[in-house]
Amino acid sequence: DTGVSQNPRHKITKRGQNVTFRCDPISEHNRLYWYRQTLGQGPEFLTYFQNEAQLEKSRLLSDRFSAERPKGSFSTLEIQRTEQGDSAMYLCASSRSGQGLEQFFGPGTRLTVL
Amino acid sequence: AQRVTQPEKLLSVFKGAPVELKCNYSYSGSPELFWYVQYSRQRLQLLLRHISRESIKGFTADLNKGETSFHLKKPFAQEEDSAMYYCALTYQSTPLVFGKGTRLSVIA
Repeated sequence: DTGVSQNPRHKITKRGQNVTFRCDPISEHNRLYWYRQTLGQGPEFLTYFQNEAQLEKSRLLSDRFSAERPKGSFSTLEIQRTEQGDSAMYLCASSRSGQGLEQFFGPGTRLTVL
Repeated sequence: AQRVTQPEKLLSVFKGAPVELKCNYSYSGSPELFWYVQYSRQRLQLLLRHISRESIKGFTADLNKGETSFHLKKPFAQEEDSAMYYCALTYQSTPLVFGKGTRLSVIA
């Protein structure tokens, strides 16, 4: 296990198109998080799962965004009808559940919406 | 609402000089505080957490509840410390809230 992986690493799309990103967490981790990071900002929380249950969604997550973790393993984040403002780095992280436990981050998917 | 403030976007120090990266937070309860680091072309990784009271790569951070601060310190900066540093907090295992980050540049 080499850590959290994300695919694709880069995605360029035209405004209005749909995109889907995948995250594969560390295998024994039951929690999976999605964050978004724009230039000059720290990562901002989008949503997270414990096993297959989506426990929380940020107000940043508009109706165009949907995330799934169907079998409690990998997760997908889909953005429908992309807008230029969606251009950002999308980060996935995983952890065990419990207080003070480290979140391990993936390399991110950089989305550019033209 | 939980908030983390890192007042410096960029901090430049000479090699061998002391380093202090500031972090202040706002939260009424007892949060858990972390420092994450991102070296060039690498992923974000945990540097240290306040509950461990550990020193990693010569860095330490003390949680000051009175001042709601969690400043990161190192007595002698090294060139390999140049990176982006993020302070973050969580409460009862809620998702992390990050500051905007401070870029540390250590000049030879």
